Amino acid sequence: NAGVTQTPKFQVLKTGQSMTLQCAQDMNHNSMYWYRQDPGMGLRLIYYSASEGTTDKGEVPNGYNVSRLNKREFSLRLESAAPSQTSVYFCASSENRASGELFFGEGSRLTVL
Amino acid sequence: QQQVKQSPQSLIVQKGGISIINCAYENTAFDYFPWYQQFPGKGPALLIAIRPDVSEKKEGRFTISFNKSAKQFSLHIMDSQPGDSATYFCAAFEQGNEKLTFGTGTRLTIIP
Repeated sequence: NAGVTQTPKFQVLKTGQSMTLQCAQDMNHNSMYWYRQDPGMGLRLIYYSASEGTTDKGEVPNGYNVSRLNKREFSLRLESAAPSQTSVYFCASSENRASGELFFGEGSRLTVL
Repeated sequence: QQQVKQSPQSLIVQKGGISIINCAYENTAFDYFPWYQQFPGKGPALLIAIRPDVSEKKEGRFTISFNKSAKQFSLHIMDSQPGDSATYFCAAFEQGNEKLTFGTGTRLTIIP
């Protein structure tokens, strides 16, 4: 039972490059989320998807786009990476938006030079 | 502004001691307060949670104390063990807008 799987685990980009972080969950959860974790800032919500076919902005959406490909998969795209996007990114899922209990992946560490 | 304030930022406790992490919130619409535990290189995982209709919840060595009037809640780890060394996040959930807000985290180190 894999839970929430993120790829890649590590990535180094140059400023202006683009990339997509992939996330898949096997728990049949309806809601999926992308967070970024920075020292002293906690976890901040970038985008979420309450159900297949819907996406909404979170607290820090600028510079990112998302796609809810199907119920299992939720990807995060950086179109033109900036050094300020250097962070650890976590994908999470929950049974539904009213649950309050999130299941997290192991994270993707992104460095933008 | 930080809706959930967490302290301390880091904490060192001797093995067998009590670890205490505190959180405070402003939004009275929050109605579910989970704590997440994160080990290095891993994602956060739900540790224990409380709803505001109770003042305390205990699961093994972990206890949440909740003070609704003061808008504060805390995590107590009794008989702290080296395996408890991790980063702990408090969070608050508002069911009305289905939003989970995290504190800034506390790095706990248990020394032998």
